Amino acid sequence: EDQVTQSPEALRLQEGESSSLNCSYTVSGLRGLFWYRQDPGKGPEFLFTLYSAGEEKEKERLKATLTKKESFLHITAPKPEDSATYLCAVEAATFNKFYFGSGTKLNVKP
Amino acid sequence: NAGVTQTPKFQVLKTGQSMTLQCAQDMNHNSMYWYRQDPGMGLRLIYYSASEGTTDKGEVPNGYNVSRLNKREFSLRLESAAPSQTSVYFCASSGGTANEKLFFGSGTQLSVL
Repeated sequence: EDQVTQSPEALRLQEGESSSLNCSYTVSGLRGLFWYRQDPGKGPEFLFTLYSAGEEKEKERLKATLTKKESFLHITAPKPEDSATYLCAVEAATFNKFYFGSGTKLNVKP
Repeated sequence: NAGVTQTPKFQVLKTGQSMTLQCAQDMNHNSMYWYRQDPGMGLRLIYYSASEGTTDKGEVPNGYNVSRLNKREFSLRLESAAPSQTSVYFCASSGGTANEKLFFGSGTQLSVL
């Protein structure tokens, strides 16, 4: 059964304190792994797509990496505006179907 | 360019009532989706439409029906609402080819009393 698990459920950081969020997956035939950001009361917004093990992508203070069984979202020197829920999703062998993890709620304190 | 538009934003129903959630996208996307989001459970796929004229069940389709009215519009119907359907509902769309990201609407907060 295709499954996506994110950890931790919640993370509190001080401004400038770097950390990583984890997304582990078991899917039959990974087509792509996606990271989204969700602010309260809004729909998720796309951040990154990773296609193959070893791939990395960066955007401002965020860097996403991918191995054969998990992905990490590294946050370097976070700011309060990085506070949000970060969602991981995979597109498995069944085309056009995406499975989401339950998310990590990040709170960055000034 | 509005992206994905959902209506209504909030709705309160009594058990047994019916309603339709509307979704429209203006990006000429082939694929459209309905998800529900519950605390601690992430986004779960209810139904999706890979292209105009086709619909398929997702992970949690029971109690719901969908209609892909045309390429732009994809509606979700609750025929007889139950308290277990209290949730936040999101519509999304994508181009429909492999590895394409999803674009989400702003959600509908539904409470069933």
